[in-house]
Amino acid sequence: DAGITQSPRHKVTETGTPVTLRCHQTENHRYMYWYRQDPGHGLRLIHYSYGVKDTDKGEVSDGYSVSRSKTEDFLLTLESATSSQTSVYFCAISESPDANTGELFFGEGSRLTVL
Amino acid sequence: AQSVTQLGSHVSVSEGALVLLRCNYSSSVPPYLFWYVQYPNQGLQLLLKYTTGATLVKGINGFEAEFKKSETSFHLTKPSAHMSDAAEYFCAVSEGDSNYQLIWGAGTKLIIKP
Repeated sequence: DAGITQSPRHKVTETGTPVTLRCHQTENHRYMYWYRQDPGHGLRLIHYSYGVKDTDKGEVSDGYSVSRSKTEDFLLTLESATSSQTSVYFCAISESPDANTGELFFGEGSRLTVL
Repeated sequence: AQSVTQLGSHVSVSEGALVLLRCNYSSSVPPYLFWYVQYPNQGLQLLLKYTTGATLVKGINGFEAEFKKSETSFHLTKPSAHMSDAAEYFCAVSEGDSNYQLIWGAGTKLIIKP
């Protein structure tokens, strides 16, 4: 199994509070991704990173920011959580950005509930 | 924009029966196509993929899928279901060459009846 650890695995918070989710990998993969998974929507890309300090927005980036100060860590921050951000968040990594050759490896997910 | 449709949010089959999970996409250009599986309380893992070449693709755990360009489909099958196949299955299609451009279906939860 790919070495991907997400923390926390479960969090309940209140509207308006900041939340940070952490993704830690031991595979030394350059590319990292944050997705959210909601019923009826499958996975949607929030942000991705193509190297240390190199990040870009995905499909549903509003209300989220990310940081990557080390190869192994990719942080997702909700500056002021809203109920619409209640979701399961998945981190993924890949050696290559190519869909053809760069298989995605996923963490176990972080379930966030915003009350 | 590309879209991916998985028919049926839940599919129930008996152990030993054929498994058929349907995936249709909207692109007119042959894309890359993927099936991922998510077992309970785990992350997703790649089951199989089509990029180029043979349109019948074999994956792990006895699953296979066939790319049919004329039908814009990539249905997942397994001849005989096992209890351990109970999971959620996601079809994904690339809009371009990169992982940043993957479009995911909503998922189909496979239920295996004993």
